[in-house]
Amino acid sequence: EPEVTQTPSHQVTQMGQEVILRCVPISNHLYFYWYRQILGQKVEFLVSFYNNEISEKSEIFDDQFSVERPDGSNFTLKIRSTKLEDSAMYFCASSDTGTVREKLFFGSGTQLSVL
Amino acid sequence: RKEVEQDPGPFNVPEGATVAFNCTYSNSASQSFFWYRQDCRKEPKLLMSVYSSGNEDGRFTAQLNRASQYISLLIRDSKLSDSATYLCVVEDTGRRALTFGSGTRLQVQP
Repeated sequence: EPEVTQTPSHQVTQMGQEVILRCVPISNHLYFYWYRQILGQKVEFLVSFYNNEISEKSEIFDDQFSVERPDGSNFTLKIRSTKLEDSAMYFCASSDTGTVREKLFFGSGTQLSVL
Repeated sequence: RKEVEQDPGPFNVPEGATVAFNCTYSNSASQSFFWYRQDCRKEPKLLMSVYSSGNEDGRFTAQLNRASQYISLLIRDSKLSDSATYLCVVEDTGRRALTFGSGTRLQVQP
């Protein structure tokens, strides 16, 4: 089965630093997503992206967050100035259509630890 | 009120047992429903979609009750490999996003 690839698997950073989380979605997919899961809590939607622009974003996705598809294969999530509460597992996902009924393929996640 | 609510468990059952999980959702306009499975510290994986008429996939049966706004998952003949957290997931009406419940943990014991 095709898979979504995320790097790095673990990222440790100091509070206030910028981090970029990277994802390679499945090659023929058109819709891309970031979700996050704080330890012991539920998975939460951050943002969806289609046709080189944000389609939807949640209340969590404030000005500190940005997404980009820089080269047609990678999809990145940038956090400009990390806070302690940004520590979480970040999951990238992709699908080939925009309907949520379509199966989302999740990557294995990047565990972000902000110290 | 939580958007998607589940009993966190854990449900500890012996191999071969039948176990059922329920989930309630708050948005009556929701149209799409799913059960995902999540192993410890791993990504969620789609187990099955839930259709109005109910649906079955091998040992797994999902039911939807729109009037009461709840979804159920029945697992028959539990295997050790079924041990995981089961996430009830509902379409976030009006946007391409999923709303996840906090999950119900299942531990199948030999």
